[in-house]
Amino acid sequence: DAKTTQPPSMDCAEGRAANLPCNHSTISGNEYVYWYRQIHSQGPQYIIHGLKNNETNEMASLIITEDRKSSTLILPHATLRDTAVYYCIVWGRYGGSNYKLTFGKGTLLTVNP
Amino acid sequence: GAGVSQSPRYKVAKRGQDVALRCDPISGHVSLFWYQQALGQGPEFLTYFQNEAQLDKSGLPSDRFFAERPEGSVSTLKIQRTQQEDSAVYLCASSLGIAGGDTQYFGPGTRLTVL
Repeated sequence: DAKTTQPPSMDCAEGRAANLPCNHSTISGNEYVYWYRQIHSQGPQYIIHGLKNNETNEMASLIITEDRKSSTLILPHATLRDTAVYYCIVWGRYGGSNYKLTFGKGTLLTVNP
Repeated sequence: GAGVSQSPRYKVAKRGQDVALRCDPISGHVSLFWYQQALGQGPEFLTYFQNEAQLDKSGLPSDRFFAERPEGSVSTLKIQRTQQEDSAVYLCASSLGIAGGDTQYFGPGTRLTVL
C-alpha cells in the first residue's frame, strides 16, 4: 500500500508556481521522498528526491518538513507542458525488497493558460 | 543520452494469443524492473532482474506471465494466452546499481489491448 497521501487534483495558472503537497506521516528514518510525474501516454519521469534536506534541481524544488512527515514539490514557473499526474513516493532505497516503487494515485496537476 | 526504450509502443492481441514485449534498458544499468499500469491507476511492480538473474517475480499476476533477461541487458516480458484483464500499459525501468539503490528510469511503456 502507498505510504503517501496526495490531493487527487490541482490547478495552476501558467507562469505561476505550482506547489504540490504530500503527506507521509509514517516515513521511516532511512526512507527517501521521491517525486515522479507522468505525462499522458508516457512513462513516469523522475523529478527529484530527498532524505531530509531541501533539494533543488533544474526541474523543481523539494521542501521536506523538519519532522519529515510531509513535503512539497515546487515547480517555480509552471508551463502547459507540466500538466501531468505527479506521484510522491516514500522509498527505502536499500535493504530487503525495497527496490519496488509503490505508486499511489498521485495528483493530477492541470496548468491553465 | 539514450533512455529506456520499449517496443512495440502499442500492441493489440486477440484473446488467447501470445505476446512478447521488449525492453532496452539504459546501457550499463544492472537492475531492470517491469511494472503494470491499469487505466487510471499508478504502476504496480511485476518483476526485478539484477543482471540476468530474476531475483523477484512476486508481482507477476499468473503463470501466463514470464520475463527473461538472458544476457543481462535486453529484457522480454511474455504473456501467454492473453486475457482481457491483461489489457494495461507495461512499463520497464532500469537503474544503475543493484537492489534498487539507485533512481529508476522508466521507458515510454507498451500499451497492450486484448480484444
